Amino acid sequence: GDSVTQMEGPVTLSEEAFLTINCTYTATGYPSLFWYVQYPGEGLQLLLKATKADDKGSNKGFEATYRKETTSFHLEKGSVQVSDSAVYFCALTPNTGNQFYFGTGTSLTVIP
Amino acid sequence: EAGVAQSPRYKIIEKRQSVAFWCNPISGHATLYWYQQILGQGPKLLIQFQNNGVVDDSQLPKDRFSAERLKGVDSTLKIQPAKLEDSAVYLCASSPSPSGNTIYFGEGSWLTVV
Repeated sequence: GDSVTQMEGPVTLSEEAFLTINCTYTATGYPSLFWYVQYPGEGLQLLLKATKADDKGSNKGFEATYRKETTSFHLEKGSVQVSDSAVYFCALTPNTGNQFYFGTGTSLTVIP
Repeated sequence: EAGVAQSPRYKIIEKRQSVAFWCNPISGHATLYWYQQILGQGPKLLIQFQNNGVVDDSQLPKDRFSAERLKGVDSTLKIQPAKLEDSAVYLCASSPSPSGNTIYFGEGSWLTVV
């Protein structure tokens, strides 16, 4: 069945460091791919999404490119800030139906 | 635009007691989801509604969990009787009907069973 696998955390970085959180997926066809972020004590918020191969989603300095050939959607940011400390979830929805499948989440802590 | 509303935000109950959570989705969103998120894990789908019909409840522990969306708008999730392992955040989310759309989450209802 459809699923998402993301790198395990926790990840700890210094402010202004480069961030990569890996995400790979298994799905038939062409799913839509998402990154959600969860700040402490809050629900999940959409960070970015891509709906077809080679699309790049971007928001708040974060980027992820939909790679069909490697079935990946890695999250990157060139310079992280303390305020980026949160848990990041990769997710997919198939191109038919609107079920959502989430990864297990990667906790990021950015230290000054 | 108002987001997904959930209540209560926090609840502490003793095992074997019952609890109910309420969700009001974004106006016009036909699809409503209830997820369970245990600390340190990703959200797990409990039930998905399309209008007032159930699309997927395969992971809902039906011996103790129930959910309804009677008029195709707001929804209630009930747990009776609660177990210690039900301690989690219960997230409600909604989405417009077409596939591939973003889902929007509420802030969650945090349940502690003692």
